[in-house]
Amino acid sequence: QKEVEQNSGPLSVPEGAIASLNCTYSDRGSQSFFWYRQYSGKSPELIMSIYSNGDKEDGRFTAQLNKASQYVSLLIRDSQPSDSATYLCAVWDEKLTFGTGTRLTIIP
Amino acid sequence: DGGITQSPKYLFRKEGQNVTLSCEQNLNHDAMYWYRQDPGQGLRLIYYSQIVNDFQKGDIAEGYSVSREKKESFPLTVTSAQKNPTAFYLCASSMSLGRGTSSYEQYFGPGTRLTVT
Repeated sequence: QKEVEQNSGPLSVPEGAIASLNCTYSDRGSQSFFWYRQYSGKSPELIMSIYSNGDKEDGRFTAQLNKASQYVSLLIRDSQPSDSATYLCAVWDEKLTFGTGTRLTIIP
Repeated sequence: DGGITQSPKYLFRKEGQNVTLSCEQNLNHDAMYWYRQDPGQGLRLIYYSQIVNDFQKGDIAEGYSVSREKKESFPLTVTSAQKNPTAFYLCASSMSLGRGTSSYEQYFGPGTRLTVT
């Protein structure tokens, strides 16, 4: 059974600080990794994809991948109240497996 | 505007009735997927289809059925055999699998919240 693990939170971060979200996965052969943002009552929205080791930056978001440690993270710089949501980590290996999500709250 | 539409947004049914959830996309994506989401659980794959007239079971297909007669449409029927049908149902699509890493990126519709009493 392929697994994707995330800390469920809630994670509370002051406005303007860096939010750090973590995810581990069990299948060493996984090649594609995704972060989705899901606001309460809404559907998931793809915000970052990462396929190779290292960092990938997109605006205030940075995804980090370490395949040797089977670890992927998402950093959100200059956190805003609008970043308050549940963040889902997803890993592709023949199908997309989702973690249960980390609930992030940005405190004004 | 390209995107995925699901209807209805909310659906209420009595136990023992079959119900069909609509999913339409105009992204010209080949692959389409159905997931269900329950509180405190990750998304679970029900069915997926990579091409017209072909589909495969996901992890929790029992009690569900699908069809893929058109590239744009992938309706899901929740049958009376599904023991716990109340959930948030999400449809997603992606480009044809195997055409580069971005083909695995899945985009979701707004979802249908089904309540069965």
